[in-house]
Amino acid sequence: QSALTQPASVSGSPGQSITISCTGTNSDVGGYNYVSWYQQHPGKAPKLMIYDVSKRPSGVSNRFSGSKSGNTASLTISGLQAEDEADYYCSSYTSSSTYVFGTGTKVTVL
Amino acid sequence: QVQLQESGPGLVKPSETLSLTCAVSGYSISSGYYWGWIRQPPGKGLEWIGNIYHSGSTYYNPSLKSRVTISIDTSKNQFSLKLTSVTAADTAVYYCASSPDFWSGYSRYYYYYMDVWGKGTTVTVSS
Repeated sequence: QSALTQPASVSGSPGQSITISCTGTNSDVGGYNYVSWYQQHPGKAPKLMIYDVSKRPSGVSNRFSGSKSGNTASLTISGLQAEDEADYYCSSYTSSSTYVFGTGTKVTVL
Repeated sequence: QVQLQESGPGLVKPSETLSLTCAVSGYSISSGYYWGWIRQPPGKGLEWIGNIYHSGSTYYNPSLKSRVTISIDTSKNQFSLKLTSVTAADTAVYYCASSPDFWSGYSRYYYYYMDVWGKGTTVTVSS
């Protein structure tokens, strides 16, 4: 299984909105509404930010939102804050009952 | 609240077997959920290794399937990872994670995400 494709980096100024894309295939992203997003700060474990494409776990800011169209899922961070600077990974369930992660995106707050 | 803690040798020789354990607290592993391993090579992205359901069913990354075994020890409330014939390419931070389930009527359903992660343990493959 191939890693899902994400842009290597995305940047924005405080208060702005940014969107990270995650492109897969009909066998993963396009086939199921089981896309999740994880935030990872340096030296830390990943943290679940979005699950089932667009649902937020309790405690996650509503500035984070998710969507999907066809084989591409997206994570939008609105009202960008300094604390949002981190690496972000998408993940999808697959038709083989496995999981695949995205290549990862480094978010920089200018 | 589920908590996870990885443990195991930090250094493994090439061609040997990497063995890690994930201790689970705050939940009885025999009650449900499913449990998994993910790794992250230095400076690189996350790679899913595999899952084990409380029933014992396992699913592995096809690229690692021939070398990976994940098992559960309900008596110790922990699950384990074994990766055979390791090379320098297996050097990584290894994370364990849990994925919840829920009941609807008399049927168990699973969520498709990893909501609790251990802090990770670094494994270096070197002679």
